[in-house]
Amino acid sequence: DTAVSQTPKYLVTQMGNDKSIKCEQNLGHDTMYWYKQDSKKFLKIMFSYNNKELIINETVPNRFSPKSPDKAHLNLHINSLELGDSAVYFCASSQETSYNEQFFGPGTRLTVL
Amino acid sequence: GEDVEQSLFLSVREGDSSVINCTYTDSSSTYLYWYKQEPGAGLQLLTYIFSNMDMKQDQRLTVLLNKKDKHLSLRIADTQTGDSAIYFCAESVYNTDKLIFGTGTRLQVFP
Repeated sequence: DTAVSQTPKYLVTQMGNDKSIKCEQNLGHDTMYWYKQDSKKFLKIMFSYNNKELIINETVPNRFSPKSPDKAHLNLHINSLELGDSAVYFCASSQETSYNEQFFGPGTRLTVL
Repeated sequence: GEDVEQSLFLSVREGDSSVINCTYTDSSSTYLYWYKQEPGAGLQLLTYIFSNMDMKQDQRLTVLLNKKDKHLSLRIADTQTGDSAIYFCAESVYNTDKLIFGTGTRLQVFP
């Protein structure tokens, strides 16, 4: 009964390829997020969606395109992968509460060769 | 600017107290948080504090907030080896769901 799940857990690919990471939450939350954590563990938000609508769109190259087919899923598609895209990508979700606790998935480690 | 700073490492002996410090910049943050990341896992909320409070205690955890200095700390009493992890403070951005995370503090607990 995993709350926020991501697939795949590991992704190794060549520069220039296109890849997708999938995220699903079974918590009934309205808001979902994508974060990138670099090799120094610095964690930065990329996108958030509320009920399939894009809310937060940080300064991220447009090679990154999030897609939310329904409010339980938020997928991340990356075109023309670059070496600098290597990182751990975390999906998270939250429900609208006063303190907005975010629940994180286990992460997808992307390695671009 | 949106900068949340933490010291990178902290090493403590089992049974001692740990204090992890954080400075943030956004004085309009409504909530401040402490998240824990264990190896190979996602982040998990440990505790949070509302900006009009200056202290919150939750079992072994004590959060202190100094709004004037924009300083947040997390004290873990009777630190255990299972507390070894990376601890992130985070500030909420006013009127959004956005969180700004700190640089993370790696806590190592040795026997």
